Amino acid sequence: TQLLEQSPQFLSIQEGENLTVYCNSSSVFSSLQWYRQEPGEGPVLLVTVVTGGEVKKLKRLTFQFGDARKDSSLHITAAQPGDTGLYLCAGALEYGNKLVFGAGTILRVKS
Amino acid sequence: EPEVTQTPSHQVTQMGQEVILRCVPISNHLYFYWYRQILGQKVEFLVSFYNNEISEKSEIFDDQFSVERPDGSNFTLKIRSTKLEDSAMYFCASTTGYYEQYFGPGTRLTVT
Repeated sequence: TQLLEQSPQFLSIQEGENLTVYCNSSSVFSSLQWYRQEPGEGPVLLVTVVTGGEVKKLKRLTFQFGDARKDSSLHITAAQPGDTGLYLCAGALEYGNKLVFGAGTILRVKS
Repeated sequence: EPEVTQTPSHQVTQMGQEVILRCVPISNHLYFYWYRQILGQKVEFLVSFYNNEISEKSEIFDDQFSVERPDGSNFTLKIRSTKLEDSAMYFCASTTGYYEQYFGPGTRLTVT
């Protein structure tokens, strides 16, 4: 069974602070995706990383894929209340393959 | 921007009844999936579908479950005889086959 361990489970920070969410596995993934999910809604794709060592930026969000393609991180700079939500990482072992999801990180940004 | 749509948004059914959850994947996508999320738990894979047949299924996807692509646009999940533990959010997803999977808004299934 492939597992994606996501940490921390819950993060409560003040507006303007930086934070990092981690996603780790013993499996090698062909791609890893980060999603954001609002209560009662479907996961919304933020980014996909596919190359070991790859770094992608989406405004204040920076995503990194580990060199061995077993881990990934999401870093948010100067968090804002609008960043509040559930962040999920999900990995695919092969093209077109099922996604294995992490348990998610609930982020709360207080103003 | 193209998106995955799902109907109904909420389905309430009695134990033992059949339900059909419907999805319209993004039009040029080739791979289709169903996932479910029990309240407070991880998103779990149920089944993947490619070239008009199941390509992979999980242990959850037993004989009570079936999928179908009856025409060129719809993708359905049928649960033949629902159980209380089938209560969950069911998500449809699709992809061109490369990397990104796009999810629909989900159907909340409540089995009473």
